[in-house]
Amino acid sequence: KQEVTQIPAALSVPEGENLVLNCSFTDSAIYNLQWFRQDPGKGLTSLLLIQSSQREQTSGRLNASLDKSSGRSTLYIAASQPGDSATYLCAVLNYGGATNKLIFGTGTLLAVQP
Amino acid sequence: KAGVTQTPRYLIKTRGQQVTLSCSPISGHRSVSWYQQTPGQGLQFLFEYFSETQRNKGNFPGRFSGRQFSNSRSEMNVSTLELGDSALYLCASSLANQGDIYGYTFGSGTRLTVV
Repeated sequence: KQEVTQIPAALSVPEGENLVLNCSFTDSAIYNLQWFRQDPGKGLTSLLLIQSSQREQTSGRLNASLDKSSGRSTLYIAASQPGDSATYLCAVLNYGGATNKLIFGTGTLLAVQP
Repeated sequence: KAGVTQTPRYLIKTRGQQVTLSCSPISGHRSVSWYQQTPGQGLQFLFEYFSETQRNKGNFPGRFSGRQFSNSRSEMNVSTLELGDSALYLCASSLANQGDIYGYTFGSGTRLTVV
């Protein structure tokens, strides 16, 4: 059974700092891994999608890496801003049978202090 | 291009009542999935529809049901509401058959409060 863990559960940093969020998963049989952002009481905004054959994806100040063999992904945020404050979730899409569901981590609550 | 639209945004219901939530996927997307988000359990998969067929169901009681229409819009229904059903219900749509290439796009959610 796939389990997804995110460390740390919460993180507070001063504005301008670079930071790394971690995501680990137990079953490497995944199609892809997707990073999302969630603002309080809102839906999920997709940040980056990494296919299982890829090692990383970049979008602006965000860079996500994937090491499928070790079951790990990291989300790197450069030059953090107060507007980056949100909960960050990673999710994996397993393959096998008719399973088309995302398995989510518990999230990292990020606070960027001005 | 319009995103995933969920209605209503907020609902307050009484225990024992039933509720119907609606989700309109991005135009052209045929796969619609539903998730429940609570502080204690996080995000949990409810079910997934593709071309009006339920392809997968999560570990929820039979009080939770859904359907998908020919225009890919989906509804989920919860009958005999319990306090523990209070949650943010999120809908996601995908272009590809399995979401493996394009990923999933989520709506803003429906906040259900059961009193």
